[in-house]
Amino acid sequence: GAGVSQSPSNKVTEKGKDVELRCDPISGHTALYWYRQRLGQGLEFLIYFQGNSAPDKSGLPSDRFSAERTGESVSTLTIQRTQQEDSAVYLCASSLAHGGNYGYTFGSGTRLTVV
Amino acid sequence: AQTVTQSQPEMSVQEAETVTLSCTYDTSESDYYLFWYKQPPSRQMILVIRQEAYKQQNATENRFSVNFQKAAKSFSLKISDSQLGDAAMYFCAYRSTSNYQLIWGAGTKLIIKP
Repeated sequence: GAGVSQSPSNKVTEKGKDVELRCDPISGHTALYWYRQRLGQGLEFLIYFQGNSAPDKSGLPSDRFSAERTGESVSTLTIQRTQQEDSAVYLCASSLAHGGNYGYTFGSGTRLTVV
Repeated sequence: AQTVTQSQPEMSVQEAETVTLSCTYDTSESDYYLFWYKQPPSRQMILVIRQEAYKQQNATENRFSVNFQKAAKSFSLKISDSQLGDAAMYFCAYRSTSNYQLIWGAGTKLIIKP
């Protein structure tokens, strides 16, 4: 696609429920990143996918968080048993392989609210 | 570990005037990349300008320019002829050449007064 697409745009969920967030990167971008942005703060790295290599999951805050990516296309971030501290904007970005030197292309994020 | 600090939570400027946003960082590396991103209410992070640490020349993109002081580990953003559309959160970010992760500052909210 022309840009990075994320869905849903907004999600309100009850504490304890599972949620799935979707990211559709730019076609041809082999690298895909998930970041979390809490209110009034910068971005926290969550996970990185590069082609068919094993993902870097070092930023995932707990085992309730997981992500998958199908080849070099869509990625889903899953949060199980959501907690109120999970409320944040979840941003996805993609780049060409090693293209992070030129910055990433971000989606508009999913605002997750856990009530 | 690298850190990025933006000491100005909020800045305001009169339309058509010039404003400078501050950013400092801490690293022991000699080669790296620095970025300024803009985040309007739409939430999408938009790349404004980038700087490669090995280049002494300050990057410029139209009305946006940086003052890169490597020894002082400072990377400020100057916006000339401010426009209403420049109103947004501005984030400074650091990237090592050996790591794909971006390290982010906390952001500066820029307000443009008409």
